[in-house]
Amino acid sequence: DTGVSQNPRHKITKRGQNVTFRCDPISEHNRLYWYRQTLGQGPEFLTYFQNEAQLEKSRLLSDRFSAERPKGSFSTLEIQRTEQGDSAMYLCASSPLYGVRTEAFFGQGTRLTVV
Amino acid sequence: DAKTTQPPSMDCAEGRAANLPCNHSTISGNEYVYWYRQIHSQGPQYIIHGLKNNETNEMASLIITEDRKSSTLILPHATLRDTAVYYCIVRVVFGNEKLTFGTGTRLTIIP
Repeated sequence: DTGVSQNPRHKITKRGQNVTFRCDPISEHNRLYWYRQTLGQGPEFLTYFQNEAQLEKSRLLSDRFSAERPKGSFSTLEIQRTEQGDSAMYLCASSPLYGVRTEAFFGQGTRLTVV
Repeated sequence: DAKTTQPPSMDCAEGRAANLPCNHSTISGNEYVYWYRQIHSQGPQYIIHGLKNNETNEMASLIITEDRKSSTLILPHATLRDTAVYYCIVRVVFGNEKLTFGTGTRLTIIP
């Protein structure tokens, strides 16, 4: 297993365009998380899935943001009508539901630049 | 989750022990102390966690004071690859692994 994979690594888009990011978690991990990180700040929680169910959403996740995990495996995060304030690193993490070690493993992130 | 306070930056000489402090004076009895680090342009990486006993693994040691109001992460022999932002997080181990990050400590290892 190569860990949590995120694609693309970098995305530049024009303001007003829609973008979609993909996250492939570690294969046996039931839990999947999305975070957003702006320059100089720690990551901020956006949303959490357990299998295909989206169980928690932050108030940071505005109506323009939607996340899915249709088959409980990979997940997508879509941002509609992007704004310059959406420029950030978007991080995905996964963790197992059971076991001795349940800590979260992070991907390398997708860096979004809105111009 | 309880709030944590960390110094914004620290330097440490290569080969020496790096001691990173964290204050969490409002920690509750069921909250654990977690440490993650983030190397430039990468996602955060889990280091270690503990409840009240000192913990050690292949990466680091975690020393938690008896009153649990503060802790210290120790990297015993720092290398240049340990240069990163280190986050101390206090959380209840319940439900999921959602993490509330602060701004962390930027540790620079000096050759």
